[in-house]
Amino acid sequence: SQTIHQWPATLVQPVGSPLSLECTVEGTSNPNLYWYRQAAGRGLQLLFYSVGIGQISSEVPQNLSASRPQDRQFILSSKKLLLSDSGFYLCAWRLGRANTEAFFGQGTRLTVV
Amino acid sequence: GENVEQHPSTLSVQEGDSAVIKCTYSDSASNYFPWYKQELGKGPQLIIDIRSNVGEKKDQRIAVTLNKTAKHFSLHITETQPEDSAVYFCAASSLTSGTYKYIFGTGTRLKVLA
Repeated sequence: SQTIHQWPATLVQPVGSPLSLECTVEGTSNPNLYWYRQAAGRGLQLLFYSVGIGQISSEVPQNLSASRPQDRQFILSSKKLLLSDSGFYLCAWRLGRANTEAFFGQGTRLTVV
Repeated sequence: GENVEQHPSTLSVQEGDSAVIKCTYSDSASNYFPWYKQELGKGPQLIIDIRSNVGEKKDQRIAVTLNKTAKHFSLHITETQPEDSAVYFCAASSLTSGTYKYIFGTGTRLKVLA
């Protein structure tokens, strides 16, 4: 069966520090991968998606970047965090070329102080 | 691009009553509409979905209806229980730039009062 792992679960970082959140998927090949951010009391905002290794599409201009160094690995990064980067970050995957269910990780609660 | 609006933002019901959450979408090309339940501190999980060639789908106490002409779809939960308390998200999915993308609504916080 397929599983998705996302870590860390919580993170407190000072303003100006770098960020690296990692997501890996098991049990499937060539998934579509997604990073979402959920601000307090708000919906899920799509940040990045990837349909293959090295292929990253950005939905909103921001202080973050994403990379996909391997088929089932998706990384969210920042060189210098801002206070506004605080939120709940979710990684998700879907079968490639299929309009079907997305499966979410457990999320990372990022607090920038 | 697609835009999804969801109402209400909060909903309180008595245990045993029904709850209805409504969403509207803007892109007529959207053809897959999932509903997710998110419990505190966790990732969302799919509870039911519907495709554009179907008007209604039911799974035990949960049902979803879709009106393609009006571009709206709704989640119906009957005989609500305290464990139904969570945040519910609707989404619309369509093929955009060669890939399928979800656009989510802003969520509804459902509280079931015992």
